Amino acid sequence: KAGVTQTPRYLIKTRGQQVTLSCSPISGHRSVSWYQQTPGQGLQFLFEYFSETQRNKGNFPGRFSGRQFSNSRSEMNVSTLELGDSALYLCASSLARGTDTQYFGPGTRLTVL
Amino acid sequence: AQSVTQPDIHITVSEGASLELRCNYSYGATPYLFWYVQSPGQGLQLLLKYFSGDTLVQGIKGFEAEFKRSQSSFNLRKPSVHWSDAAEYFCAVGAIDSGYALNFGKGTSLLVTP
Repeated sequence: KAGVTQTPRYLIKTRGQQVTLSCSPISGHRSVSWYQQTPGQGLQFLFEYFSETQRNKGNFPGRFSGRQFSNSRSEMNVSTLELGDSALYLCASSLARGTDTQYFGPGTRLTVL
Repeated sequence: AQSVTQPDIHITVSEGASLELRCNYSYGATPYLFWYVQSPGQGLQLLLKYFSGDTLVQGIKGFEAEFKRSQSSFNLRKPSVHWSDAAEYFCAVGAIDSGYALNFGKGTSLLVTP
């Protein structure tokens, strides 16, 4: 089975722009979670989607949003980019919610100039 | 407040020596515990997990971890380290009262010397 895929792998944007990141979960997985990884804050939970509905949300401003499609693929969007949004954005998928293991993709490295 | 602590930011081990990476957590509900490894430029790979049952858990690549409820710890061990084990190791905790979102420690960077 193919693993979690994320596109693009690298992005460079400027302050004020917006960006959309994509995540394709492992086939059959219905839950997708997003995490932000920075050197200062470490790994932080952004949100989780299951059956096209946001089920859980971390402590991030409203500029961070996401959605999930009927095929379980997910996108996250960051509007009005700030320098501090530079990070590795990781997507994880699991079969269902709850205690199912989350499998991570390689991440999208976002650099905001 | 819920928290996950990895006390060691960096650890250096000689190849062939044993390894123990520490993880302590503070959670009100029954936690679900994970260890992930991240190599440079890579995503996170699951090493092992603990949900319930036997408190000694075996994982991939020869790693094991022991859940000690009384000490709120979930330390990762390996009897003999290989140079390819050099990476960043993350302890993560999930719980029902946080919607199972993973709460990660800050990570421990492992350096393996010849």
